[in-house]
Amino acid sequence: AQSVTQLDSQVPVFEEAPVELRCNYSSSVSVYLFWYVQYPNQGLQLLLKYLSGSTLVESINGFEAEFNKSQTSFHLRKPSVHISDTAEYFCAVRAYSGAGSYQLTFGKGTKLSVIP
Amino acid sequence: DAMVIQNPRYQVTQFGKPVTLSCSQTLNHNVMYWYQQKSSQAPKLLFHYYDKDFNNEADTPDNFQSRRPNTSFCFLDIRSPGLGDAAMYLCATSRERLGGRGFEQFFGPGTRLTVL
Repeated sequence: AQSVTQLDSQVPVFEEAPVELRCNYSSSVSVYLFWYVQYPNQGLQLLLKYLSGSTLVESINGFEAEFNKSQTSFHLRKPSVHISDTAEYFCAVRAYSGAGSYQLTFGKGTKLSVIP
Repeated sequence: DAMVIQNPRYQVTQFGKPVTLSCSQTLNHNVMYWYQQKSSQAPKLLFHYYDKDFNNEADTPDNFQSRRPNTSFCFLDIRSPGLGDAAMYLCATSRERLGGRGFEQFFGPGTRLTVL
């Protein structure tokens, strides 16, 4: 079975400072990795995904994540955060769970608070 | 715009009074999911429909049922809500093909259920 660990439950950071949200996964099979963002009282929105190919993936709003197979990590980074980035971020792994079924397993989430 | 719609956004019910949450999608995706998300926790998969096939998670209580009358609609029925069922309920969809290429899940805005 796969699992996802987000090491930090809360990350405060000043506006325009860089940030890294950490994510580690465990899976014995090939995985697909995702970062979702959730604003208060809203659903989850896909931020970026790794399926195959280049290990560095980028989103349209300046976030990037790097898939590191040897360290089983998929950390999310942004070089300069904005107030509008304040939200909860969920890392997720999608892996085959048998009998033709794929499961999406989420980490517990990291609340990013951007301080003016 | 193609999207996942959940109604209502906020639902208040009484202890033990049946409640139904609805989800519709215009994406024409073949898989629909229901997640339960409690405060400051990761979404927890309750069940999903792969086309017409219902797949229940092993630890989903019998109190939770689902119906999918057609491709576009899916319902979550809570037969006798308890105080512990108060949560955000998220509907998601995805397009799955044989071989599971790793398509992401698209989430609706969620329904926040309050049990009095």
